[in-house]
Amino acid sequence: QLQLQESGPGLVTPSETLSLTCLVSGDFISTTKSYWGWFRQPPGKGLQWIGAMSYTGITHFNPALKSRITMSVDTTQNKFSLKLTSVTAADTAVYYCARHEAIAMAACWFDACGQGTLVTVSS
Amino acid sequence: DIVMTQAPDSLAVSLGERATINCKSSQSLLYSSNNKNYLAWYQQKPRQPPKLLIYWASSRESGVPDRFSGSGSGTDFTLTISSLQAEDVAVYYCQQYYDSAITFGQGTRLEIK
Repeated sequence: QLQLQESGPGLVTPSETLSLTCLVSGDFISTTKSYWGWFRQPPGKGLQWIGAMSYTGITHFNPALKSRITMSVDTTQNKFSLKLTSVTAADTAVYYCARHEAIAMAACWFDACGQGTLVTVSS
Repeated sequence: DIVMTQAPDSLAVSLGERATINCKSSQSLLYSSNNKNYLAWYQQKPRQPPKLLIYWASSRESGVPDRFSGSGSGTDFTLTISSLQAEDVAVYYCQQYYDSAITFGQGTRLEIK
């Protein structure tokens, strides 16, 4: 059974970089069936997709966040990561990592995600 | 970006009754080459991550009760719960994957009347 687990600091200083990692178990990250992605949910609000990446390096990003996002995949440790630069209070949210179904080089629905990790941006 | 708009924002339905949630996209989600609608539905219960219910607008995910069904095509879609159960209290989201920039609806909160 596929499982994903987010990890990273729960508190980030404004203007600094938010860094999160997602450890994947139960399947290999180096599969053409999947895109590995992130979405977030500000407290009391709805879902916002951040981006997704294939293990070969194909990326799709939210245009509103694209200039601040870096994503990477580590096939040797079966994990993937997110970096979001120049954070502000508006980036405070629960961050989820997820597995997207990959169809024709596109990230589609997600059928598995982690439990989420709250990241607060504050000095 | 494709904008997804759900209606209503919140809904209260009696146990055993039908619940209907609508989702409208700012452009068609029907891909002509395969005749599929690039839309999914999720359920998020309090303090839990979202759970996939429906993909391709009407295909039910494995393990999802058959009281959940999805319909619609093009720009107008519906999630129907045929007989509301207490455990269905949640926020429901639609999501488009027609565009490489995935977007969600704002969510519909479903409660028991």
